[in-house]
Amino acid sequence: TQLLEQSPQFLSIQEGENLTVYCNSSSVFSSLQWYRQEPGEGPVLLVTVVTGGEVKKLKRLTFQFGDARKDSSLHITAAQPGDTGLYLCAGVRRDYKLSFGAGTTVTVRA
Amino acid sequence: DVKVTQSSRYLVKRTGEKVFLECVQDMDHENMFWYRQDPGLGLRLIYFSYDVKMKEKGDIPEGYSVSREKKERFSLILESASTNQTSMYLCASSSLISYNEQFFGPGTRLTVL
Repeated sequence: TQLLEQSPQFLSIQEGENLTVYCNSSSVFSSLQWYRQEPGEGPVLLVTVVTGGEVKKLKRLTFQFGDARKDSSLHITAAQPGDTGLYLCAGVRRDYKLSFGAGTTVTVRA
Repeated sequence: DVKVTQSSRYLVKRTGEKVFLECVQDMDHENMFWYRQDPGLGLRLIYFSYDVKMKEKGDIPEGYSVSREKKERFSLILESASTNQTSMYLCASSSLISYNEQFFGPGTRLTVL
């Protein structure tokens, strides 16, 4: 069962442009995480958001957790080629396991 | 630097073979996990272990078993490999305190012919 829906599935933009990736669910999660995975590597945790309405910034990346703790977004400002990768959201379930979205493949062209 | 290592990056096996995937972590983590990653499906939890010799089924345990004889090592076993088990397999670990901060290995791409 895919509990988390990510959109879009693929995103290709020019260096310097902005982008937003969405993660939606009908379930409430205690917290939500965003990972980035580069080719040939495992996912690396970027951030965990815990409180409904929370906004966290990591340099040019802004993460937001929905008020109802069912959805989240990742916004990248002035994207760079180094931002290229697969972005995955993951919800922390009541049984403390993670449910992952299918991922958004982001390509930033130089 | 914290590290999760997996025994093979690429593996090709035949249908019916018994397959062992090994994972080792050097962070003294209590929790260890096995996921498979397929396009369009994301990561799905196969099994996890919260202590030596302890294991619990994840969301898709059918066709798999696991072994954890030592704290740092977690093995995934495919008793009789089938073509639908062709996938990327990822191992992860986390501490008891920060249980949802998982550190992943580089993955093993398994092809079953």
